[in-house]
Amino acid sequence: GQQLNQSPQSMFIQEGEDVSMNCTSSSIFNTWLWYKQEPGEGPVLLIALYKAGELTSNGRLTAQFGITRKDSFLNISASIPSDVGIYFCAGRSGATDSWGKLQFGAGTQVVVTP
Amino acid sequence: EAQVTQNPRYLITVTGKKLTVTCSQNMNHEYMSWYRQDPGLGLRQIYYSMNVEVTDKGDVPEGYKVSRKEKRNFPLILESPSPNQTSLYFCASSSWVVGGGYTFGSGTRLTVV
Repeated sequence: GQQLNQSPQSMFIQEGEDVSMNCTSSSIFNTWLWYKQEPGEGPVLLIALYKAGELTSNGRLTAQFGITRKDSFLNISASIPSDVGIYFCAGRSGATDSWGKLQFGAGTQVVVTP
Repeated sequence: EAQVTQNPRYLITVTGKKLTVTCSQNMNHEYMSWYRQDPGLGLRQIYYSMNVEVTDKGDVPEGYKVSRKEKRNFPLILESPSPNQTSLYFCASSSWVVGGGYTFGSGTRLTVV
């Protein structure tokens, strides 16, 4: 199947620093999503993107839908301890008969130190 | 409260013993899906369902069965579990009308010995 390459695999950052991670696909997507997973829980949706070039914010989080439609980026500004978790990108190709098919990247583990 | 409920949270079983993991959603979502999560591999989609009696394979369907007889329920069936199916499983639901992504349950940790 399609491959979603997410990087970096992990990040160790100091409180207050900005964080950036990205995701690339071998195919065009028409929806990009970013999720966060905390220990013992399922992933929770942070941001959804639907148009190439779209830039969307959710508090200190900002995500962008790449112009080529094959990539997406997530930035976390001024990190705080509760930002700890695994962040996943996810993409959907958009074919009507496969709307339910949502692929995920391998995740970026974020660790925030005081 | 809008939620996806899956049971059990933890399950240890032996190779070859059939098991079912249940999943239920109370949001009237038409789409439901099962994922497995393994270290370094992220979440991989097993099966998804577009509505009652309509299902399709995800990226890793081998060794799994699903059924969608009611809109709210989407059980995952392992007819003959093997140790390589030891994993963390998530059920999720979504709606074409609402858009966005899947809403996930809290997970089922399965160990096959």
